[in-house]
Amino acid sequence: GENVEQHPSTLSVQEGDSAVIKCTYSDSASNYFPWYKQELGKGPQLIIDIRSNVGEKKDQRIAVTLNKTAKHFSLHITETQPEDSAVYFCAAGSSGGSYIPTFGRGTSLIVHP
Amino acid sequence: GAVVSQHPSWVICKSGTSVKIECRSLDFQATTMFWYRQFPKQSLMLMATSNEGSKATYEQGVEKDKFLINHASLTLSTLTVTSAHPEDSSFYICSAHRAYEQYFGPGTRLTVT
Repeated sequence: GENVEQHPSTLSVQEGDSAVIKCTYSDSASNYFPWYKQELGKGPQLIIDIRSNVGEKKDQRIAVTLNKTAKHFSLHITETQPEDSAVYFCAAGSSGGSYIPTFGRGTSLIVHP
Repeated sequence: GAVVSQHPSWVICKSGTSVKIECRSLDFQATTMFWYRQFPKQSLMLMATSNEGSKATYEQGVEKDKFLINHASLTLSTLTVTSAHPEDSSFYICSAHRAYEQYFGPGTRLTVT
């Protein structure tokens, strides 16, 4: 089955700095890679995703890059703000057939004002 | 679009009683819904896959007689924790799929006393 590793487990940055969270996956059949933001006491919220036919995707201050050869993908947040503080999860899965994503262990991002 | 609701958002029950949690996709139909359990500062643990009109598929180690799942319609799945014990206390989160995008509910905090 798929195995997703996520690093770092905790990331502390100053407001305005950039933050990068990295994930690696093991199953070359995976072709869909979403990122979720989870605030305390709430369910995860899909913030951006990327499919295997694309190398990079951007949405305002957040971007995701994918390297299929190396089997890793990353979340980039620029100009971080205190409201970006949350736990971020990456996931990987195959959109063919029954899609059951595998999640990383999460990264706690703390943005200091 | 793509809103998933859960009810209740929190519940406290006595040991030995049963608790039902509802998961609804409000603006789309979902043939597949997932149920997760999340412990503090940990990732999402998949409990079962709920398919409309058929029996749920449980992950290894999840007691199907204890965690009853019913997916009666394309917009509603329910999780019933039977004969709850304090160790069942946790944050339960459902998700619904639209294509292969996964949208999560806000979660239900269950406390068994």
